[in-house]
Amino acid sequence: EAQVTQNPRYLITVTGKKLTVTCSQNMNHEYMSWYRQDPGLGLRQIYYSMNVEVTDKGDVPEGYKVSRKEKRNFPLILESPSPNQTSLYFCASSFDSYNTGELFFGEGSRLTVL
Amino acid sequence: KNEVEQSPQNLTAQEGEFITINCSYSVGISALHWLQQHPGGGIVSLFMLSSGKKKHGRLIATINIQEKHSSLHITASHPRDSAVYICAALPPRADMRFGAGTRLTVKP
Repeated sequence: EAQVTQNPRYLITVTGKKLTVTCSQNMNHEYMSWYRQDPGLGLRQIYYSMNVEVTDKGDVPEGYKVSRKEKRNFPLILESPSPNQTSLYFCASSFDSYNTGELFFGEGSRLTVL
Repeated sequence: KNEVEQSPQNLTAQEGEFITINCSYSVGISALHWLQQHPGGGIVSLFMLSSGKKKHGRLIATINIQEKHSSLHITASHPRDSAVYICAALPPRADMRFGAGTRLTVKP
């Protein structure tokens, strides 16, 4: 089944404790991206990747890192999480590098930083 | 001012009504996405448009590139259409700009 898989789905952590949210797609998609969704602010893009080893900042990249070493994986790294990073996170992928095809979303990861 | 504006913010309709959600954007785009987010939180892509009109079942999406405007129409609305509808503008460099979403409630 074609899908985008995020893990963990739910996580409660403490300030400063490094964490990684994994994202994997099995559709051989070129484009992958991360978003956060907050009440009153909607969806905002954190980082995106148009291909392996190519990543770019979105709207709100501060406090996050990403890597794209393989086509299928695009992990989101919070080196030193802070409470303002408490949010609902979505990973998505699309067939072509410029994201002009259908977007496939993961189920979301709800992160709470205490 | 947001680069992508949606209207209305909230919309309540009776089952069977024709619904229109509007999206205006101020950035140059290569494409525009319409997304649907159900109460459980999952997001589904409905349409990707770069010109003209697309139809899928009871859903129709249109875009006017010159006027920087897109609309999502739902014909014969049903309670299962209740969701948040989000438009997302895609500038050429592939980052995305999202509207705030329109919360649709369809009552039986």
